[in-house]
Amino acid sequence: EPEVTQTPSHQVTQMGQEVILRCVPISNHLYFYWYRQILGQKVEFLVSFYNNEISEKSEIFDDQFSVERPDGSNFTLKIRSTKLEDSAMYFCASRRGPSYNEQFFGPGTRLTVL
Amino acid sequence: DAKTTQPPSMDCAEGRAANLPCNHSTISGNEYVYWYRQIHSQGPQYIIHGLKNNETNEMASLIITEDRKSSTLILPHATLRDTAVYYCIVRDSGAGSYQLTFGKGTKLSVIP
Repeated sequence: EPEVTQTPSHQVTQMGQEVILRCVPISNHLYFYWYRQILGQKVEFLVSFYNNEISEKSEIFDDQFSVERPDGSNFTLKIRSTKLEDSAMYFCASRRGPSYNEQFFGPGTRLTVL
Repeated sequence: DAKTTQPPSMDCAEGRAANLPCNHSTISGNEYVYWYRQIHSQGPQYIIHGLKNNETNEMASLIITEDRKSSTLILPHATLRDTAVYYCIVRDSGAGSYQLTFGKGTKLSVIP
């Protein structure tokens, strides 16, 4: 069964460093998402991406964040200058198309900012 | 999107049906009810969704009241692997990019 994959599973970085979190969505999906979950808190929407551009973003997704689909398979989230409060689980999700409601989530990347 | 209310936690004996309620009294006519679950910090997993008719798939059944103000997710024979946080989400199928707004959900503990 096809699934969303994410790498790395755990990333440790120093405050102020740039990180790139990688996702491989399910191959025939068209809509892509990033969510995050700070330890013990709710899952929060960050950004959605369709047709090579951002379709919606939340207040969390400020200028420090960017997303890219550099090729036909990868979908990346970049944090330019990490802060302590960026420490969280980051989940990528994909959705097949306009007539499909369910989002398929990856296993997440745990980001720890020291 | 309409607000949902769920109990913070529930217990269920292994092998019994787990009935998870959700209140969405402000739901509007074009909003669907979605259920996802999250097993111990894994990525959320889609379970089922519905508009007004009851729905069933291989994982669960969704019962929506006639006035659509509440719904119940039923896991017919709960197993230990069903221990998870269950999220009821209401959203408009035609609005925006389908991003999901998660609440705190119901922490279901299946007990041997």
